[in-house]
Amino acid sequence: RKEVEQDPGPFNVPEGATVAFNCTYSNSASQSFFWYRQDCRKEPKLLMSVYSSGNEDGRFTAQLNRASQYISLLIRDSKLSDSATYLCVVNMRDDKIIFGKGTRLHILP
Amino acid sequence: EAQVTQNPRYLITVTGKKLTVTCSQNMNHEYMSWYRQDPGLGLRQIYYSMNVEVTDKGDVPEGYKVSRKEKRNFPLILESPSPNQTSLYFCASRSYITQGVQFFGPGTRLTVL
Repeated sequence: RKEVEQDPGPFNVPEGATVAFNCTYSNSASQSFFWYRQDCRKEPKLLMSVYSSGNEDGRFTAQLNRASQYISLLIRDSKLSDSATYLCVVNMRDDKIIFGKGTRLHILP
Repeated sequence: EAQVTQNPRYLITVTGKKLTVTCSQNMNHEYMSWYRQDPGLGLRQIYYSMNVEVTDKGDVPEGYKVSRKEKRNFPLILESPSPNQTSLYFCASRSYITQGVQFFGPGTRLTVL
């Protein structure tokens, strides 16, 4: 089983819709979790950290389920500018950082 | 402005011709890393450094060298580039405190003919 798995997509979603995707991780020793966003041919940038209690940043909500070992990202009222690849990132207890391969999202006008 | 810079941004070279990609950060971060990104394979770590003069192999170190003589700089060296090293390369830095929060450079697109 891969350490961090994501559905590669693409998710094609009409503008204004709500979209959610998950990421599963295999190592229960994983310590902290993040979502990064990467635009085509650009560098990844931190979107948000993911906390056990769940956290929200505007239209974005992140959740962590330690028992089932997955994290999720929900985007409400999606905008054309949300089109990107979303990378799930797990920080291990030994400080190793593992990136998922990303989920591609296309917001359609 | 807090940033990670890489140079060059684009490079086309030939097999066997030694090259260096520079990386510099101005945030006084302890950790620096090099990644390569290839279609379908995601980001793979080449080398990382936890501080000055401390470097270690990542997942795909073959064919690469690094050095960390100063805290701000972490150059990536390809002594004898080969076509399978054609890729998009990212340098990243982070501090001990904010685990997992990495700042990436803009990327270097390398083509080895």
